[in-house]
Amino acid sequence: QQPVQSPQAVILREGEDAVINCSSSKALYSVHWYRQKHGEAPVFLMILLKGGEQKGHDKISASFNEKKQQSSLYLTASQLSYSGTYFCGTERNNAGNMLTFGGGTRLMVKP
Amino acid sequence: GAGVSQSPSNKVTEKGKDVELRCDPISGHTALYWYRQRLGQGLEFLIYFQGNSAPDKSGLPSDRFSAERTGESVSTLTIQRTQQEDSAVYLCASSLWRSGGARGETQYFGPGTRLLVL
Repeated sequence: QQPVQSPQAVILREGEDAVINCSSSKALYSVHWYRQKHGEAPVFLMILLKGGEQKGHDKISASFNEKKQQSSLYLTASQLSYSGTYFCGTERNNAGNMLTFGGGTRLMVKP
Repeated sequence: GAGVSQSPSNKVTEKGKDVELRCDPISGHTALYWYRQRLGQGLEFLIYFQGNSAPDKSGLPSDRFSAERTGESVSTLTIQRTQQEDSAVYLCASSLWRSGGARGETQYFGPGTRLLVL
């Protein structure tokens, strides 16, 4: 029931773009995206809600396909500070408010 | 404080001992969540408290794990008779709880407690 993230890891050069995908087998109310640097707490990036509402970072974009229960996070013109592990957390329609997290996508941005 | 705080930041214990981990949520956040993160893995839901309702304990891995919350503030996660597989980072998060609940609310994470069971 854990959402599946892809790719598992990606290496970019500064300025390149990346897309991280998150796919669930359950009907979703929302998808939350976090970035976690080594040894630190996850930092909130964005929430995408059923119905199209979005909340979060103005330099990061994402999409949420409710029918397919899929979300994608778009990182454009990547910066060194984008390095870290990206997690999607899904909030299901008919469950509590807890998030079920994917296994993470490790992103490394090189100069 | 401005954010979620957790203590201790690190805890080393011997197998079989009990440990208590503490979380102070953001003031005004009535929803509080505990997650566990094993090395190199994603976050695993343990338990959450929502206002005055009964907590959702569906993620607790065994009856050695329990948690309490005092009103709408501090929460304590207790692990009894610790095992080596309990070694992980335990993260606490809090969020607002509006009239419709906590759905779609941002969860803000604390720095975590790194637990090592020898």
